[in-house]
Amino acid sequence: IQLTQSPSALSASVGDSVTISCRASQGVRRLLAWYQQKPGNAPKLLIYDASSLRGGVPSRFSGSGSGADFTLTISSLQPEDFATYYCQQFNSYPITFGQGTRLEIK
Amino acid sequence: QVQLVESGGGVVQPGSSLRLSCAASGFAFSYSALHWFRQAPGKGLEWVAVISSSGGERFYADSVKGRFTISRDNSKNTVFLQMDSLRDEDTAVYYCARVPNEAGGLNWLDPWGQGSLVTVSS
Repeated sequence: IQLTQSPSALSASVGDSVTISCRASQGVRRLLAWYQQKPGNAPKLLIYDASSLRGGVPSRFSGSGSGADFTLTISSLQPEDFATYYCQQFNSYPITFGQGTRLEIK
Repeated sequence: QVQLVESGGGVVQPGSSLRLSCAASGFAFSYSALHWFRQAPGKGLEWVAVISSSGGERFYADSVKGRFTISRDNSKNTVFLQMDSLRDEDTAVYYCARVPNEAGGLNWLDPWGQGSLVTVSS
């Protein structure tokens, strides 16, 4: 299953709200997760089952969608949110990821 | 706390072998499926392999099937990735990651280890 994220890169300012899209080449029900990765660090889970927020993740992160179309929304961007974000499907093997969305400071 | 620590990476020549280890702590290791992922320099994330909690089920990405072997030692809370016939394109940071419940391997991953760099170069 191919996952396509858009945009591939995004510039925004502290306090802005941004949305990242993830589209699957076939339906994955709600079996999708979102991760944040900062340079030199491992990915960190943000959202699982399309919209469930991992414990300890700020509530400004939210996920939605089902089937083939999903979104990650970050409201009121904070300086620590500038990173690369990946979606991941776990509907079937091979587990696949989107190509990533790099969120940069404007 | 839940922790995964990879080791065993390094610089090797094409055609050689390397074994990565991932030592786990802070959770019931024998109940969790575990995965290996990799990330080539400047690239995205790629799934490599998964092993079930008992070790009875293993699946591999097509890119490594027949060359890599995932295994685990539940008595030592460690999962391994034996990498044979290494190629230039296997150069990457390799991460192990846990399935955070007693479900099967098809799941979200949390946490991930810090990664171990494997460089295949002549």
